[in-house]
Amino acid sequence: QVHLQESGPELVKPAETLSLICAVSGGSMSSSNWWTWVRQAPGKGPEWIGEIYHTGTRNYSPSLSSRATISVDKSKKQFSLRLTSVTAADTAVYYCATTYYYQTLSGRRAGFFDQWGQGTLVTVSS
Amino acid sequence: DIQMTQSPSPLSASVGDRVTITCRTNQSIDNLLNWYQLKPGKAPKVLIHGASNLLKGVPSRFSGSGSGTQFSLSIDSLQPEDFATYHCQQSYTSLWTFGHGTTVEVK
Repeated sequence: QVHLQESGPELVKPAETLSLICAVSGGSMSSSNWWTWVRQAPGKGPEWIGEIYHTGTRNYSPSLSSRATISVDKSKKQFSLRLTSVTAADTAVYYCATTYYYQTLSGRRAGFFDQWGQGTLVTVSS
Repeated sequence: DIQMTQSPSPLSASVGDRVTITCRTNQSIDNLLNWYQLKPGKAPKVLIHGASNLLKGVPSRFSGSGSGTQFSLSIDSLQPEDFATYHCQQSYTSLWTFGHGTTVEVK
């Protein structure tokens, strides 16, 4: 069972880049986990941003794929999120998490967000 | 994208009550529905996966049911630590989506 902790600036100016790090403890970065970012804007439901596997394979939400980059640094036991050209709409609590995937009896790939960090509020404002 | 609609919100209840939260989807997702508990400043917690499978360590007063487009999360004998916001989430499509949440508040 891993422990996750987000860190990064709490305030980012519009049009700049949001950068967050998730420190991983208590587990291996080369395990079968997918390292994931989720955010929750005020008054809205959580939103999946994207994920990375330790091999470097990445998946992103189509709505954020042009601005988001997720990277992993196994030597530092951390993974990161960069979100460029931010606007007020990017103000949210950002969570790092792990995704557990499994295959259903019908062969469909399903899963859930297994372990989470406590989240960090990032406000986009001048 | 699959739309998730939760009701009611908020839900006012007292310790000891049995409460039920409903999640509806705009298309069938089989049973690929998960439930999470969120509290401010705390790490979210997954409670149920696959509509009805309780995660290890989750108290047995939590239960889930449903399939297709209608699902529910029930809490028997509500405890003080259960006052929180609950979100459903589907993993049927490649773009996983969440409901807006149901806040269980003190009556």
